[in-house]
Formats: sequence, C-alpha cells, structure tokens
Amino acid sequence: ELKVEQNPLFLSMQEGKNYTIYCNYSTTSDRLYWYRQDPGKSLESLFVLLSNGAVKQEGRLMASLDTKARLSTLHITAAVHDLSATYFCAVDFTLNEKLTFGTGTRLTIIP
Amino acid sequence: DAGVTQSPTHLIKTRGQHVTLRCSPISGHKSVSWYQQVLGQGPQFIFQYYEKEERGRGNFPDRFSARQFPNYSSELNVNALLLGDSALYLCASSLLLEQPQHFGDGTRLSIL
Repeated sequence: ELKVEQNPLFLSMQEGKNYTIYCNYSTTSDRLYWYRQDPGKSLESLFVLLSNGAVKQEGRLMASLDTKARLSTLHITAAVHDLSATYFCAVDFTLNEKLTFGTGTRLTIIP
Repeated sequence: DAGVTQSPTHLIKTRGQHVTLRCSPISGHKSVSWYQQVLGQGPQFIFQYYEKEERGRGNFPDRFSARQFPNYSSELNVNALLLGDSALYLCASSLLLEQPQHFGDGTRLSIL
C-alpha cells in the first residue's frame, strides 16, 4: 500500500524556536513535494525534491530528501507567526503526477 | 498571468443530485489533475488528464467522471451525490512532470 505519514500532526511552537516536521513514505520514490495550506485556502507549492540528498531552502524553511530512508524533513528556523499553516508532503510514487499526500502537520506559532 | 481557476467557488446540493465542477489550467499547461480534500485530511487523488486522455484514476466510485477539452480545461462530474461527497475539490495543472502542480482555490461542495 502506498502510504505517506507525517509527524507530528499538530505542532505548537514559540516564535524564534527551531523545529522539524517529518515525512515518511512506504515505497521507493525520488519525487517529493512540500505544500503549505492556510485555513480555507488552496495549496501553495513550497519545495520540489527530485533526488536523494536534495536540499532546498527558502527563507526560514529548509527541506531535504533521503530516498534510502524514505524520509523527508521540513526544518523551520527561528519561527515567526506568518509560518502558521498546515504543511503537507506529497509523494509521486508512480511518476505520473498522481500525488499521494500525507496527513498534514498543523503548525501554530505562538508569540 | 492567471493561475488555475475553478468554478463555482461554493456549491450546495442535496443527496442524489448531480454536480459539474470546472477548471481552467494555467496557460500552456496540458496536464490537469483533480483532488478531493475532506475537512481535516490531505487531498486524495481522483483523476489526471493529459492531452485530453485520462492518465490516472484514484480509488473513487464510478459516480465520479471527468473529461478534458481541446483547450485543456476540464470538468469533474459527480452523480448521485452522497453526504460523504462534501469536500473541497481541488484542480491542479502542471507544465512538465518534474515541475510542481499548481493548485486552484478549489470548489467547496456541501451536500445536504
């Protein structure tokens, strides 16, 4: 079964702190995406990771991919309130753009 | 440039009715995918079309169907609506396989 699991499901953290969201998936793939979703809104693309060892950074967010461990991480540095949202990872297992999404991590940044 | 556009924004239907949702991809994008997102969950893949051909289908009943038109816009049809069909329906388009899918704002469907 093709599964994508994220943890934690809920994360409440103080401004200025660092934390990591983990995304594990069940079967080999080297195509993983991270999206952000604000309440009542659509999905915003954050990162595209297409090979083992890929690392992408944008502002306070950094994503990495370890295809051997079937693990991706989204690291948040010095969190600010604007980062409060739900973050999804999604894996393309069949290389045809059929994305399997994780359960999402609802991140709340507390002032 | 316009992003992925979906219509209508909101829709209220009753059980047993039929609904048609519409999507216009980003200009130049030939691939369109549909996803269902139930409240509190991640999106679930329904269909993917490329060059008017169905390329993928998720685990949804035959009540769900879709098509893509020569201008690459797409329709999602759902027959015999059930309460469980209440969800946000998202359309996404992409240019190339290695590029991220760009999502529209979605259609929020409520079944009474």
